[in-house]
Amino acid sequence: AQSVAQPEDQVNVAEGNPLTVKCTYSVSGNPYLFWYVQYPNRGLQFLLKYITGDNLVKGSYGFEAEFNKSQTSFHLKKPSALVSDSALYFCAVRDATGGYQKVTFGTGTKLQVIP
Amino acid sequence: KAGVTQTPRYLIKTRGQQVTLSCSPISGHRSVSWYQQTPGQGLQFLFEYFSETQRNKGNFPGRFSGRQFSNSRSEMNVSTLELGDSALYLCASSLGSGSRYEQFFGPGTRLTVL
Repeated sequence: AQSVAQPEDQVNVAEGNPLTVKCTYSVSGNPYLFWYVQYPNRGLQFLLKYITGDNLVKGSYGFEAEFNKSQTSFHLKKPSALVSDSALYFCAVRDATGGYQKVTFGTGTKLQVIP
Repeated sequence: KAGVTQTPRYLIKTRGQQVTLSCSPISGHRSVSWYQQTPGQGLQFLFEYFSETQRNKGNFPGRFSGRQFSNSRSEMNVSTLELGDSALYLCASSLGSGSRYEQFFGPGTRLTVL
C-alpha cells in the first residue's frame, strides 16, 4: 500500500523568508509525486509534479520541490514567501508501476505567511 | 479551454436519500477521478474511470458508485445518505500517462446531509 506523510499540520513563515513544506512517501514501485494547493473555499490547484529526470522540479507561482529517493522525500520549497501563498498544501503520490493507479494524498499542511 | 466543471456546486439532502453528482472533464481528457474531502478524513480517493471503465476504487462502501459516459462525462451516486457523507466531492480529469500525466480539479460539490 502506498502512503504519504506530511508531518507538520501548520507551517508559519515570515513574508520574504524561504519556506519549506515537508512530505515523505512510501510506494512499492517508482513514484509519481505531486503538490497541490487549496485556497479557502476553492478546489485543488496543481503546483508541480515529479515523474522522472531532474530531482529539482520547478512549478507554478515560484514553487519548487526536491525529490530525494534515498530519504523518500519530496519537500516543497520557495525562496521568498508571499502573504498570498497562505493556503493548504497537499502532497500526493501515485505508483508509476502497472498503468493507472490511484492517487494517495497526505493530510495537508496549512501554510501561514506572516506579513 | 474550459476547465473541469461540477454540478451542482452545493447540495443539501437528508439521511436516507440518494444523490447524483456530475463532472464534465476538460475536452479531450478521458480519465476522471473522484475524491471526498472532509475535515476529519482529509482527501480520499473514491474511484477513477477511463474510457467508461472503472480502473480503480478506493475504500468506500458500495453505497458509493460511479460511471462514465462515452463523452467522458462522469457521474457519482451515493445512495442511502448518512450524516458522515457530508463532504466536498472533487472531480479531476487527466490526460496522458507517465511524463504527460497531469491532473486538473473542478471546484467541487459541497454536499450537506441533514
